[in-house]
This record gives sequence, structure tokens and C-alpha cells, in this order.
Amino acid sequence: KAGVTQTPRYLIKTRGQQVTLSCSPISGHRSVSWYQQTPGQGLQFLFEYFSETQRNKGNFPGRFSGRQFSNSRSEMNVSTLELGDSALYLCASSPMTGGMNDEQFFGPGTRLTVL
Amino acid sequence: QKEVEQNSGPLSVPEGAIASLNCTYSDRGSQSFFWYRQYSGKSPELIMSIYSNGDKEDGRFTAQLNKASQYVSLLIRDSQPSDSATYLCAVMHNSGGYQKVTFGIGTKLQVIP
Repeated sequence: KAGVTQTPRYLIKTRGQQVTLSCSPISGHRSVSWYQQTPGQGLQFLFEYFSETQRNKGNFPGRFSGRQFSNSRSEMNVSTLELGDSALYLCASSPMTGGMNDEQFFGPGTRLTVL
Repeated sequence: QKEVEQNSGPLSVPEGAIASLNCTYSDRGSQSFFWYRQYSGKSPELIMSIYSNGDKEDGRFTAQLNKASQYVSLLIRDSQPSDSATYLCAVMHNSGGYQKVTFGIGTKLQVIP
């Protein structure tokens, strides 16, 4: 079974631009969560989508948004980029059936650098 | 109080020793607990999950859960230099009617040859 894929793997943008990141979950997984990881801050939860609906959202400004498509693929968008948005953005997929096997599996991440 | 707390380390242990990584959590209703390993520049990799009080063993790894004390730990026996990584504790709990996973900041483990 193929793992979680994320594209692109690396991005360099300048302040003020916007960016869209993509995540394809493991086949059969309906939940996709997004995290931002920076040194010293650890993994910060951005949002979670399940069957095209955002179920949870972290404490990030409205510049961060996302969506999920009917095939469970998800995108996140960051508008008006700031230097502090430079981070590793990780996507995690999970069956999220409410059972005991709702483990999350991470993609390789997208390294975003804002200049 | 943070939802999931870990000592950021670094924790240094000699090769062959037992490494003990600890994590506490604040939501008493938390149901599922996970340990991830993250090598520098890589994404987190799930190594253990535990749902019931007690110990769960998988090879050189043992996860321990004590829900009464809101404490979960990971023991790595016969530590190897290849175990040097950051270990993330993750806790699944209810948030707004749905399950949410919250991560600790991670403990950096250094295994000294």
C-alpha cells in the first residue's frame, strides 16, 4: 500500500506571496491532518479534514486555510507569506474510524522557505 | 499547562544501555497514545501505540501507560547509535466532539558509541 505523498517537497517563496501544498493520503484513509513544524515549537496542529469537512482547527491565523476533495486528497494554502511561515509542513493520514487503530501516518513533508 | 509535556533533552545514554523517555498529558479522557521517532530532516515515523494501562513490548521497545498518573513512557533496550533521534509523544483526545492528536515537543535522544 502506498504511503502518504506530499508535493512539492521544497518551496522557496518571497514575503507576500501565497503557496498551495498538496497531500495524498494512504488509500482508504479519510482523515488528513496538517501540522507545522519549526525548531523549538515542535509539531503545531493546523487543521484536520474528514470526508471533505474541517473538523478541528488549530490556533493559526486565517491566512492558513485548507480543503479536502472527494478522493480524500487535501490541499493547504498560505496567503500573504511571512518570514515566520518558514517551516516543515507535514501531512498525516488516518482512518479515523473512531476505533483503536486510528494511528496517523506522516508524509515526507514540504519544506517551505520564505525569503 | 501544555496538553502534552516532554523533556526536550538531549538525553544521552551509552550504547547498550536502556533509554527511558517520558511524557505526561493533561486530558484525563485521552484514549490513545503514540510514540513517533523523527530523524533529523525527516518526517515522524510511528513506532508504538498503546491504549490500555500497562506495558506493551515490540522488539527492543516497550511502551508503558499509567492513565491514573496521566503518564506514558517509552523504554528502548540495548540502545544503538541508530536510535539517536527525536522521540515524539502523541496523545489522542476529544476536541469539539472529534478526535484530535496533540504532540509533545519531543525528546532528543543521543546514543553514545
